[in-house]
Amino acid sequence: DVQLVESGGGLVQPGGSRKLSCAASGFTFSSFGMHWVRQAPEKGLEWVAYISSGSSTIYYADTVKGRFTISRDNPKNTLFLQMTSLRSEDTAMYYCARETTVVPFAYWGQGTLVTVSA
Amino acid sequence: DIKMTQSPSSMYASLGERVTITCKASQDIKSYLSWYQQKPWKSPKTLIYYATSLADGVPSRFSGSGSGQDYSLTISSLESDDTATYYCLQHGESPLTFGAGTKLELK
Repeated sequence: DVQLVESGGGLVQPGGSRKLSCAASGFTFSSFGMHWVRQAPEKGLEWVAYISSGSSTIYYADTVKGRFTISRDNPKNTLFLQMTSLRSEDTAMYYCARETTVVPFAYWGQGTLVTVSA
Repeated sequence: DIKMTQSPSSMYASLGERVTITCKASQDIKSYLSWYQQKPWKSPKTLIYYATSLADGVPSRFSGSGSGQDYSLTISSLESDDTATYYCLQHGESPLTFGAGTKLELK
């Protein structure tokens, strides 16, 4: 079974940094593009970033461009999101999601909560 | 950026009722439209992809339709397990954009 397990969330001060991880199992990680999607408390879903299977293609939402970096370690089956210059509006549950050829978010992790507050 | 206008934002419906949720894209998204169901404190779940295709394991009472800019999700006969928030997503071009969501509750 496909499993995605996020970690790394927690309380961060405004202006601080945090690195999220997503450990993948149950499939050939190096064959699939991956996304990060977030959801602020009591709000809707927001796509954050995408990385292709071989890291050659990367996209970001304008709200995080220049502050967040998506990366992956295929031999270690792990996806990352490095977040810097964090703001209160970055407070959210962060999900990693795996694509298929026709579904951008076919599989989701359980999420990791990032709270940006002094 | 492509804007997705989803309606209604919330609704009440009775068991057995037919329910329809719509999404309108600000431009033609060529059926690159999927629907997700999210229950409280849970991760979203894929219902429909490429506008009309049912994801694996999703009950047949769910269906999707539409093309161009206009899309809809229909539940043919509402069951109690369907109370959730539903989101549309366009993935025709980056940035991927979600609709604002429809909270569906039992009447």
